Amino acid sequence: SQELEQSPQSLIVQEGKNLTINCTSSKTLYGLYWYKQKYGEGLIFLMMLQKGGEEKSHEKITAKLDEKKQQSSLHITASQPSHAGIYLCGADMYSGGGADGLTFGKGTHLIIQP
Amino acid sequence: NAGVMQNPRHLVRRRGQEARLRCSPMKGHSHVYWYRQLPEEGLKFMVYLQKENIIDESGMPKERFSAEFPKEGPSILRIQQVVRGDSAAYFCASSLTGTDYGYTFGSGTRLTVV
Repeated sequence: SQELEQSPQSLIVQEGKNLTINCTSSKTLYGLYWYKQKYGEGLIFLMMLQKGGEEKSHEKITAKLDEKKQQSSLHITASQPSHAGIYLCGADMYSGGGADGLTFGKGTHLIIQP
Repeated sequence: NAGVMQNPRHLVRRRGQEARLRCSPMKGHSHVYWYRQLPEEGLKFMVYLQKENIIDESGMPKERFSAEFPKEGPSILRIQQVVRGDSAAYFCASSLTGTDYGYTFGSGTRLTVV
């Protein structure tokens, strides 16, 4: 079974609308990373969350890590065509730190309709 | 201020040939991670290296795959006797010591085995 579940798998949103992507784990997360990937390209770092209840924002994107540190959400306000792509959550799931690499969800494909 | 540099961007190999993928981490980063992204799947951790040491290779296939990060030069992911199932995007990430600084990903190498 997938250790990190992302939902929805795909999302079509009209330009200007808000949207939320979720990332859920059955285990405690010791670090949660959000990345964006354009089709056929590399990963662009968006945000990193480590503390329960932490919330970070950058431009129109806000990410939160819940108090129990088992779920994170990524919220985009007033979506634009430039937001289209694949959003990946990656998590450090081991208390020893990120030395063992991140576990990733399968990604959420976001399409923005004009 | 170059980020993580991977080359080549695209690599085509015939079945049975060797593939060599290179990754130069960000300046000052001493930790390198390799991930593989198969079609329709998420990113999967392969191996974590520090200079001249393999720290964790729990995600590496047992045969034909090897990785190194020499004292001088880039990290190399080597795939011997490639098969069609090796076709994927291979990403390298680097980080400073510890997890507080997050991971920076390269643009990936897209390997196609024909």
